[in-house]
Amino acid sequence: NAGVTQTPKFQVLKTGQSMTLQCAQDMNHNSMYWYRQDPGMGLRLIYYSASEGTTDKGEVPNGYNVSRLNKREFSLRLESAAPSQTSVYFCAAGRNSGNTIYFGEGSWLTVV
Amino acid sequence: EDQVTQSPEALRLQEGESSSLNCSYTVSGLRGLFWYRQDPGKGPEFLFTLYSAGEEKEKERLKATLTKKESFLHITAPKPEDSATYLCAVLGGAQKLVFGQGTRLTINP
Repeated sequence: NAGVTQTPKFQVLKTGQSMTLQCAQDMNHNSMYWYRQDPGMGLRLIYYSASEGTTDKGEVPNGYNVSRLNKREFSLRLESAAPSQTSVYFCAAGRNSGNTIYFGEGSWLTVV
Repeated sequence: EDQVTQSPEALRLQEGESSSLNCSYTVSGLRGLFWYRQDPGKGPEFLFTLYSAGEEKEKERLKATLTKKESFLHITAPKPEDSATYLCAVLGGAQKLVFGQGTRLTINP
């Protein structure tokens, strides 16, 4: 999973708290993605960004916001965390032409 | 809407017993079909990208093939270390990378 770094790796939040998951890539790729993975649900797309300055909703965007700060960084924000947002979150980066899309190691979030 | 369906959900094989995993897809403007391996507690690890029908790629005991409607991941003479969840995804014209549910593969020694 070279080139995509996520922070934090683990986080426990109380219901209603806010937090930001950070993602940075050093591969100079245009596209970046945020997914959540729940048991039995596979990887579900939250938001993606095809290029710097653009973001689009994925399959499950409700309760989240994103910022494509520059070409390297794509952050995911939970404004008011809910227990339903307990999940593992993955960031990915790749070229718009396809080729290879790499994932980070994941961020484990628990909302109590 | 882009969709990916993988089968079977789970597959248990004996060491050395070859088999295939299926990935059926619908996509608008295919830019790539991806196969990943995921171990418990880890992020997906890239295996292959296929771009057009008829294309094949190989890596050790794995071979991926692509038609206009589906892709297969063939596993030849698997070993216990091949046990993992295998994920298929498509990248369409809208730059959305859409995943299937995955196939959980267990290789018994």
